[in-house]
Amino acid sequence: GQNIDQPTEMTATEGAIVQINCTYQTSGFNGLFWYQQHAGEAPTFLSYNVLDGLEEKGRFSSFLSRSKGYSYLLLKELQMKDSASYLCAPRGNTPLVFGKGTRLSVIA
Amino acid sequence: DAGVTQSPTHLIKTRGQQVTLRCSPISGHKSVSWYQQVLGQGPQFIFQYYEKEERGRGNFPDRFSARQFPNYSSELNVNALLLGDSALYLCASSPHGGENTEAFFGQGTRLTVV
Repeated sequence: GQNIDQPTEMTATEGAIVQINCTYQTSGFNGLFWYQQHAGEAPTFLSYNVLDGLEEKGRFSSFLSRSKGYSYLLLKELQMKDSASYLCAPRGNTPLVFGKGTRLSVIA
Repeated sequence: DAGVTQSPTHLIKTRGQQVTLRCSPISGHKSVSWYQQVLGQGPQFIFQYYEKEERGRGNFPDRFSARQFPNYSSELNVNALLLGDSALYLCASSPHGGENTEAFFGQGTRLTVV
């Protein structure tokens, strides 16, 4: 089975940096995805990590440690439009399974 | 290019009724997955289909069924609806059934059971 844990809610200030952590346990491992979901909308792909280390993509970076079952999503230079839910989704031997998501609120 | 399209966008049904939700994947994508998302939770995996065959099934009762057609579109059927089936139903398509491919989501069907 799979167990995914991430904080329920976080609040950060516009222009700041925020780190959203995710710990997971899976049967097998075939990479970890991060998705962003604005209220009332579909999830959209942010990043994919399959090897240990940091993947940087503009203001967003994602880190993976397979031995620790740990990942984080780092958002820099926060903007109001970054207010959304962020979903951690490790892929084990089953199709993509999502955590409950972290609802991020960016305040002025 | 058209993304993943789902129909209908909103639906209201009565307890005990049956519902069919439809999904058209991105052109060229052969894998379709269905998810249920209850308010405040992450999407929960229901089914995956690849090349018209079921590749995975989540922890949902037999009232939930699905199929994939030769054109790779898919239908999700739910029988004997319960109030707890009220949720956003998301369809996601991938180029193939491999483990390292990202999923592209449709806008979802909002089902309300009264």
